[in-house]
Amino acid sequence: RKEVEQDPGPFNVPEGATVAFNCTYSNSASQSFFWYRQDCRKEPKLLMSVYSSGNEDGRFTAQLNRASQYISLLIRDSKLSDSATYLCVVNSGNTGKLIFGQGTTLQVKP
Amino acid sequence: DTGVSQNPRHKITKRGQNVTFRCDPISEHNRLYWYRQTLGQGPEFLTYFQNEAQLEKSRLLSDRFSAERPKGSFSTLEIQRTEQGDSAMYLCASSFQRTGNTGELFFGEGSRLTVL
Repeated sequence: RKEVEQDPGPFNVPEGATVAFNCTYSNSASQSFFWYRQDCRKEPKLLMSVYSSGNEDGRFTAQLNRASQYISLLIRDSKLSDSATYLCVVNSGNTGKLIFGQGTTLQVKP
Repeated sequence: DTGVSQNPRHKITKRGQNVTFRCDPISEHNRLYWYRQTLGQGPEFLTYFQNEAQLEKSRLLSDRFSAERPKGSFSTLEIQRTEQGDSAMYLCASSFQRTGNTGELFFGEGSRLTVL
């Protein structure tokens, strides 16, 4: 079993739609959680960290469920510019080793 | 530009040859990571350093791969006796690690390896 698992998609949604991505992780000792965004042929960049109480940044909301070892990302009012691959990232146990999921591809259509 | 710098950006080599990639991290960052990424997959962890100490190396990495970070500054990743399966994008990232939380990773643009 992979340490971080995501549905690769693709998710094809119209502009303005709300879309949610999920991610599960296997190591219950993990402490740090992130969502990264990767545009085609570019390097990954941090979208947002994920905190225990959940957190929001504009149209983006991240949630963490430690009991179920599950992380989510919600994007409201999707824009064409949101089209990208979204990578779930978790540290391996209580270490600095950061493990990336396969990524979920989002395509927002006009 | 004071971001993470990787060289060369592209490398084409014949099977069996050795290749070396270099990464210059953001200067005040104490952690440096190497990842490998193939099409349709997320970055796969290879190894990471805190200052000059290599803290962990992936079990997936064969003995043909070695990484160094002398003096805790730039790092090199060497692949010996390359195989076609080594063809991938090799990504370097750096972060500033404070006690406790893991810092944000800043990635370089990657070094693309093609093994013929």
